[in-house]
Amino acid sequence: KQEVTQIPAALSVPEGENLVLNCSFTDSAIYNLQWFRQDPGKGLTSLLLIQSSQREQTSGRLNASLDKSSGRSTLYIAASQPGDSATYLCASWNSGYSTLTFGKGTMLLVSP
Amino acid sequence: EAGVAQSPRYKIIEKRQSVAFWCNPISGHATLYWYQQILGQGPKLLIQFQNNGVVDDSQLPKDRFSAERLKGVDSTLKIQPAKLEDSAVYLCASSLTGWHSPLHFGNGTRLTVT
Repeated sequence: KQEVTQIPAALSVPEGENLVLNCSFTDSAIYNLQWFRQDPGKGLTSLLLIQSSQREQTSGRLNASLDKSSGRSTLYIAASQPGDSATYLCASWNSGYSTLTFGKGTMLLVSP
Repeated sequence: EAGVAQSPRYKIIEKRQSVAFWCNPISGHATLYWYQQILGQGPKLLIQFQNNGVVDDSQLPKDRFSAERLKGVDSTLKIQPAKLEDSAVYLCASSLTGWHSPLHFGNGTRLTVT
């Protein structure tokens, strides 16, 4: 059974800092890995999707990497802004599974 | 493109009462998912439909939860009778094909059982 772990559970940083969110998974036979953002009281918004054959994906100030051999993915946020404050979830889609397996998320607070 | 629509946004009921949630997926999306998200946890799949058929309902508490997808479009999720531990956000998502295609989520229904 796939297990997805996210560290840290919560993170508070001042505006402008670069930061890294970590995601680890137990079953490396993944098809893809996705990072989502969830604002309070809202659903999930997809940020980046990395196929198993890829090593990283970039969108604006966000960069996600994938290392299947070590069972890890990282989300790098450059020059953080207060608007980045949200919960970030990673999820893997494994071969043989019907859908995504989610981590518990990292709650990020960026203070002005 | 209109997103995934869910209603109601909030619902408060007493234990042992029944409740129903509604979801309208993105037009043309064949696959529809219902997830349960307990506070501080990641979403957990309850049931997945491919058009009209159920693909995965292995984690659906079938003694109290039921779901249907009418004509392969809208879906309803029902809880009867509700328990305190059912308090959670119920998220609906849809995807174009289901097979590893990106999921689009609605804003969810927050259920409080007292």
